[in-house]
Parts: sequence; structure tokens; C-alpha cells
Amino acid sequence: QKEVEQDPGPLSVPEGAIVSLNCTYSNSAFQYFMWYRQYSRKGPELLMYTYSSGNKEDGRFTAQVDKSSKYISLFIRDSQPSDSATYLCAMSVWYNFNKFYFGSGTKLNVKP
Amino acid sequence: DADVTQTPRNRITKTGKRIMLECSQTKGHDRMYWYRQDPGLGLRLIYYSFDVKDINKGEISDGYSVSRQAQAKFSLSLESAIPNQTALYFCATSDLKSGGEDTQYFGPGTRLTVL
Repeated sequence: QKEVEQDPGPLSVPEGAIVSLNCTYSNSAFQYFMWYRQYSRKGPELLMYTYSSGNKEDGRFTAQVDKSSKYISLFIRDSQPSDSATYLCAMSVWYNFNKFYFGSGTKLNVKP
Repeated sequence: DADVTQTPRNRITKTGKRIMLECSQTKGHDRMYWYRQDPGLGLRLIYYSFDVKDINKGEISDGYSVSRQAQAKFSLSLESAIPNQTALYFCATSDLKSGGEDTQYFGPGTRLTVL
């Protein structure tokens, strides 16, 4: 079983839609959760990070962590064609920074 | 991406050849990493280094070696390339902040094809 599971998609939505991207994980020791965005032929770039359960908002993006269910989500409001990319979740154990566990990524396409 | 550079960006090589991928960073970070990315498998850690004298194997180090020539430079070598090493390779750096965050910054990637 993979440490982190993520639906590969692709997910296709119309412009303006609310997008929900999700990951599940098996290691209850994970404390630090991240979302990366990767455009085609580019390296991943950090979008958001959070330490704890609950929500964290940054503009049109909201990261949500439910530790009891071992489930994290990224919501994108008012999605734009420029949001079209692959989104990777990543997580690590709080006291062990040498290893980040990445999901395989969900490809998102926002249609104009 | 400009803070972390990788060379070459694309490389086609033949089975059995030795190849080196290079990574340089201007972020001043101590920690550097090499990952490979394959469709459906995500990013997998090959090697990581917390400083010039510290080199550690990741989850898929077999067939690879690394060299940390300086704080800013971290090279990945394939001693004898094989076709299943065809992948997208990323270098990343990170800096453990006082608050405990260890965020990784990725280079643009090297697309390697082994024929």
C-alpha cells in the first residue's frame, strides 16, 4: 500500500467552477501537509502548506486536513484556465524532515 | 525555478552509458535532493544531502550515485544507464526554518531517455 494515494484524474471543469482535489494517507504520524502545483514541463512549486487539522485559506485556494480520516483536500474557487496543471499533495512526519511523501498527482484542466 | 538550475534539460543516451545530471542552486540552502518522476508513481526520492559531508540514500538509490561538490552543487550519476531509468529527474533544495518548516523548491527537471 502506498503511503499517499491520489486520484490521477484527469479532472476537467468549466471556468469558474469549484474544484476539489483530494489525497488519502495511511501514516498517522504525518503532521505537515503540502500542495504543489506542476505545470507541464516544469518543476513542482509549493502552493500551500499546513500543519494541523482544519482549513487554511490563501486567496482562491483552501487547504483542508482531516487527520481523523487521514484525508486532505485542496479547494480552488472560481477556477481559471491558468489553474490547469497537475496538483501533487505531499506530507511528512513532523520530526523527520528528510523524507516527503508525494502523491502521484491529479491533472486538472479548466476549460474556458 | 531560476534559483535551482538543472543541466542538461533533455538527454537521450544508450543502454550502458554513464551519464551525469547536474544541479546548482543560488538559494543558499543546505539541503538538496534528487527525485525521479514517473507517470502514475509520482515523485520518488533517490538521494538526499543535508550538507556537503552528508549523503543519504532515498527509496530508490540502486543504479544511481551522487556527489555533493559544494553547498550549491549536487550531481546525480547513472553509472550504467538502463531503459527503466527513463524518467523525469528533479533536483530540489530546502532550508529548515526556525519554525520547523522544511519546504522544498524544485528545479525545472531533466528529461532522460535511455534507449
